Amino acid sequence: QKEVEQNSGPLSVPEGAIASLNCTYSDRGSQSFFWYRQYSGKSPELIMSIYSNGDKEDGRFTAQLNKASQYVSLLIRDSQPSDSATYLCAVRINTGGFKTIFGAGTRLFVKA
Amino acid sequence: DTGVSQDPRHKITKRGQNVTFRCDPISEHNRLYWYRQTLGQGPEFLTYFQNEAQLEKSRLLSDRFSAERPKGSFSTLEIQRTEQGDSAMYLCASSLGDRGSGEKLFFGSGTQLSVL
Repeated sequence: QKEVEQNSGPLSVPEGAIASLNCTYSDRGSQSFFWYRQYSGKSPELIMSIYSNGDKEDGRFTAQLNKASQYVSLLIRDSQPSDSATYLCAVRINTGGFKTIFGAGTRLFVKA
Repeated sequence: DTGVSQDPRHKITKRGQNVTFRCDPISEHNRLYWYRQTLGQGPEFLTYFQNEAQLEKSRLLSDRFSAERPKGSFSTLEIQRTEQGDSAMYLCASSLGDRGSGEKLFFGSGTQLSVL
């Protein structure tokens, strides 16, 4: 079982729709969860972090965390073509020391 | 804050040669990570440093890979006797470490390695 799992996509949504991206993780003790966005040919950049169960909103982005189900999601409201990118779920796990592990990413296409 | 800097941006080498990459983290960041990324995959953890101490190295990493961070500043990643399977983007990231609210990574632009 991979430590962080995501559907690779691609996920295609029309402009203005809600894009829903999902992630599951295996380390039940994980406490910190992140979403990074990576445009083609660029490096990942942090867009959201979440540490407590429930929802966290930042502009058009909402991160959702359910530790009991070991599930993290990212909702993008009013999707724009500029949101087209790969979204990487990342989890900080404890392996004696802490390190951040990434999922394979979900490619999102927003059609104008 | 000038961001995380990596050098070179691109490296083409022949199989069997040694290569070395450099990463300069954000100046006040005490943690430094190396990741490897291939097309269609997420960043794969290689190793990380807390100041000058190398705290963990991936079990998937062969002995041909070595990393250093002298004096807790810049870091180098060396690959000896390169193989075609080493072709990938090598990403460096730095952070302030755990401030009680998780750890946010800032990535450099990466070094694209092509082994012929």
